[in-house]
Amino acid sequence: KQEVTQIPAALSVPEGENLVLNCSFTDSAIYNLQWFRQDPGKGLTSLLLIQSSQREQTSGRLNASLDKSSGRSTLYIAASQPGDSATYLCAVKFLGPAGKSTFGDGTTLTVKP
Amino acid sequence: DTAVSQTPKYLVTQMGNDKSIKCEQNLGHDTMYWYKQDSKKFLKIMFSYNNKELIINETVPNRFSPKSPDKAHLNLHINSLELGDSAVYFCASSQDIRDIQYFGAGTRLSVL
Repeated sequence: KQEVTQIPAALSVPEGENLVLNCSFTDSAIYNLQWFRQDPGKGLTSLLLIQSSQREQTSGRLNASLDKSSGRSTLYIAASQPGDSATYLCAVKFLGPAGKSTFGDGTTLTVKP
Repeated sequence: DTAVSQTPKYLVTQMGNDKSIKCEQNLGHDTMYWYKQDSKKFLKIMFSYNNKELIINETVPNRFSPKSPDKAHLNLHINSLELGDSAVYFCASSQDIRDIQYFGAGTRLSVL
């Protein structure tokens, strides 16, 4: 069964800290992995997309890595800010004719001023 | 301009009613999706269309019927609404199945 797990479920850090969010998946046969941010009561905002052939992607203070063989991805956030407080979701698109995305349950991040 | 737009944003209705949610994307994408996010915030795919053809149909009750009149639109019709249908429904699109997905703002459905 193709599953995606995110640990921890919640994380609270003081402003300025660097932090890592984890995503693991059970099947290494994937098209890509996408990290999203969701603010309370809002839709999903795409942060980074890593294709299966890539090892990492960077955007500003965000860096996402992908290790297909071990079924893991990390989202690194540098110099965290209160505005980074949100739920972060990892979505894995597994290989198959339809390319179904499976989401993790998310990590809720709180950055304290 | 909103890339993926859903209407309505909020929908409150009685059990047993039939309702529709509309989705439109102006990105020129070939693939569109419907997701359901339940009260525990777990997000799960329901349907996916590629070039107006259904390619993913998860184990969703057949009271839910997607309709894609053209590539830019994917509407969701729900018959005989039940309490358990209360959730936030998200529409998304991508250029093809391997590309970045862009999400709409969601439709919060409350069945009373």
